[in-house]
Amino acid sequence: DAKTTQPPSMDCAEGRAANLPCNHSTISGNEYVYWYRQIHSQGPQYIIHGLKNNETNEMASLIITEDRKSSTLILPHATLRDTAVYYCIVRAYSGAGSYQLTFGKGTKLSVIP
Amino acid sequence: DVKVTQSSRYLVKRTGEKVFLECVQDMDHENMFWYRQDPGLGLRLIYFSYDVKMKEKGDIPEGYSVSREKKERFSLILESASTNQTSMYLCASSLGGSNQPQHFGDGTRLSIL
Repeated sequence: DAKTTQPPSMDCAEGRAANLPCNHSTISGNEYVYWYRQIHSQGPQYIIHGLKNNETNEMASLIITEDRKSSTLILPHATLRDTAVYYCIVRAYSGAGSYQLTFGKGTKLSVIP
Repeated sequence: DVKVTQSSRYLVKRTGEKVFLECVQDMDHENMFWYRQDPGLGLRLIYFSYDVKMKEKGDIPEGYSVSREKKERFSLILESASTNQTSMYLCASSLGGSNQPQHFGDGTRLSIL
C-alpha cells in the first residue's frame, strides 16, 4: 500500500471548516483513499473514502486532486466533538492479504472554542 | 448506522488464563476482523474472517485463535494469556467486496497481570 504523509497537528476554530491534507504521491491506480478518525479511548471511526472523484457524505467531503497524489478531508463546520486524530489511508484490494488497515501517525486536530 | 459491539470495555485477567473477547455486528457484514492497538505500533491485524467458519491469519496470530460460528459474531481467544498481550483490542466488520470500509467497535482494554 502507498505511504501517506500528514501534518502531525492542526488547530481549527469552532464553527469554521477544517481542511486536513494528505499526501500520497506513490498511489497506484487501484488504490482507494480512506479517512478514519479516533477519539481518545474509542475505536477508529470511518469517515469517508474515494477512488478519484470527490465524495461527500453527512460527515465530511473528500477532495482528491486530478493526479490523485494528494487529498483533503473537509469538515464543513467543526465542533468540539471533532477533536480527534485523523488518519488518511490508501489501500488496494488484491486478495486476502490486503485487508490489513495500516494507520500512520495521523493528524491531531484540535477544535478551539 | 453500523453497530459493532464488543462485550467488555475493560478486562483484567491473570497470566495463564484462557480469555475470550466477543464481538457482535448487526449489519449482516461478511467480513470481521480482530486488531490490537499499541502505542507506537499502530493497528496490527491478528485474524480476520470472510465467512462463517472461515478464518485467515493476520500479521500477529501467535498466541491467539478465533471462532466464527455465526455470521454476526466473531470471538478472539487468548489460549494462555501472557503479559505481552496487554493491549487495546479492536473488532471491525465490513461488507464483502473490494473497497468496503471497515467499521470498528469501541475496543476492549485488556490487562494481563
